Amino acid sequence: AIRMTQSPSSFSASTGDRVTITCRASQGISSYLAWYQQKPGKAPKLLIYAASTLQSGVPSRFSGSGSGTDFTLTISCLQSEDFATYYCQQYYSYPALTFGGGTKVEIK
Amino acid sequence: EVQLVESGGGLVQPGGSLRLSCAASGFTVSSNYMSWVRQAPGKGLEWVSVIYSGGSTYYADSVKGRFTISRDNSKNTLYLQMNSLRAEDTAVYYCAREGDCSGGSCYSGWFDPWGQGTLVTVSS
Repeated sequence: AIRMTQSPSSFSASTGDRVTITCRASQGISSYLAWYQQKPGKAPKLLIYAASTLQSGVPSRFSGSGSGTDFTLTISCLQSEDFATYYCQQYYSYPALTFGGGTKVEIK
Repeated sequence: EVQLVESGGGLVQPGGSLRLSCAASGFTVSSNYMSWVRQAPGKGLEWVSVIYSGGSTYYADSVKGRFTISRDNSKNTLYLQMNSLRAEDTAVYYCAREGDCSGGSCYSGWFDPWGQGTLVTVSS
C-alpha cells in the first residue's frame, strides 16, 4: 500500500497568514492526489483533486501543487473558517485508497 | 441536490453485528463507485470498502472476511454489514461516492460527496 505522510502534524497560525501543508507519497503517484478539509464533528469536504484542480465552490485562496511524490496545499490568506484539519489522499493505487495522517491548523 | 444520509450506528458488544445504511439522493448509487471510510475517535481517515458500478467489491485487510458491502438499487441505498466486531472497529463510519463516472466510464479517485457519518461503538 502507498503510504502518505503529511507534515507538520499540527501548527498554529494567524488570520491573514499564508500557510503551506506538505504531503509525501511513499512512491510516485503522478497527480492522483486529493485534499480535504475537516472541521470537528463534520464530514471531510473535498477541496482539491488531481493535485491542483479546485473543487467547485471552494475559495480561490486554496491551491494545490506537486506531482510524483511531493505535494503541497497552500492557503494564501488564512481566514477564521479555515481553522480545521486537512488530509491528503492518493488514488493512484486502488482499490485501497490511502490518506495522510492529517494536519491540524490551529489559531495562534 | 446530491446527498448521502447514513444510519444504523450504535453500541454493540464485541463479537456482535451491525448493519449500516447510506441512502443516496440526487444520483444513482449503482452507476457510481461507492465507498465506506471510517475515523476512529481522535484519529485519521481509513478507507474500509468499495463497491464498483459493475458490482466488484474490495475491502481493507483490517475488515476482510468480517464486513460486507452491498447495495439495493431499488432503494438507491448502500449498506455495510459488519460482523465479528472488535473494539478497534469503534469509529465514525462515512459513506462517500468515489471517483468520477460522469463521462460514461468510471475511474477511481477522490471522495465526494460524503455522508454525515454514523458512530459505531464496540464495547462491553
